[in-house]
Amino acid sequence: DGGITQSPKYLFRKEGQNVTLSCEQNLNHDAMYWYRQDPGQGLRLIYYSQIVNDFQKGDIAEGYSVSREKKESFPLTVTSAQKNPTAFYLCASSIPGTGGNSPLHFGNGTRLTVT
Amino acid sequence: AQSVTQLDSQVPVFEEAPVELRCNYSSSVSVYLFWYVQYPNQGLQLLLKYLSGSTLVKGINGFEAEFNKSQTSFHLRKPSVHISDTAEYFCAVSVRGYQKVTFGTGTKLQVIP
Repeated sequence: DGGITQSPKYLFRKEGQNVTLSCEQNLNHDAMYWYRQDPGQGLRLIYYSQIVNDFQKGDIAEGYSVSREKKESFPLTVTSAQKNPTAFYLCASSIPGTGGNSPLHFGNGTRLTVT
Repeated sequence: AQSVTQLDSQVPVFEEAPVELRCNYSSSVSVYLFWYVQYPNQGLQLLLKYLSGSTLVKGINGFEAEFNKSQTSFHLRKPSVHISDTAEYFCAVSVRGYQKVTFGTGTKLQVIP
């Protein structure tokens, strides 16, 4: 079955360390996204990529970085510059479609705790 | 820029009762609208979507939503809920021609036995 795999499910890091969250998809989707979810705040877009080797900042990109070297992979690095990194991170993908009409397919998320 | 408002953060409802989860959006241009469901510690799954055409949209698990352009609303309804419907529900909007999707803050549906 096709889908999106996020690993690990739970991640613990010390403050000041960079950490990379993995996202792999075998849906052959061109577009991939990273969202951050905090209680009561819904999902906020960190970065998105519509094609390999290209990505755009979302609403809360500060303190995060991404790469898109392969169609299947869109890793997210949470840097030490991110002031409040503890959150639930969701990766998603979609067919770009004719501008926004394609639904998002989500992974099961990575819960990051930084102490 | 588009925005989505889900006024109800929590909605308790008895099993087999009807439910309506409210969603209002703001955009100066045409939009696409979506409802997603999230079970604990999981990602989101698509319930239904409105792209164009009929304003009444049917989705999975017996849910439906009605697009009301004049009221800029897209409320989600189910005539009879089950315990298994306990989850968090998110309304989302994207502007035609753009790939960015904006989500509401979510509504937690608690079905009481």
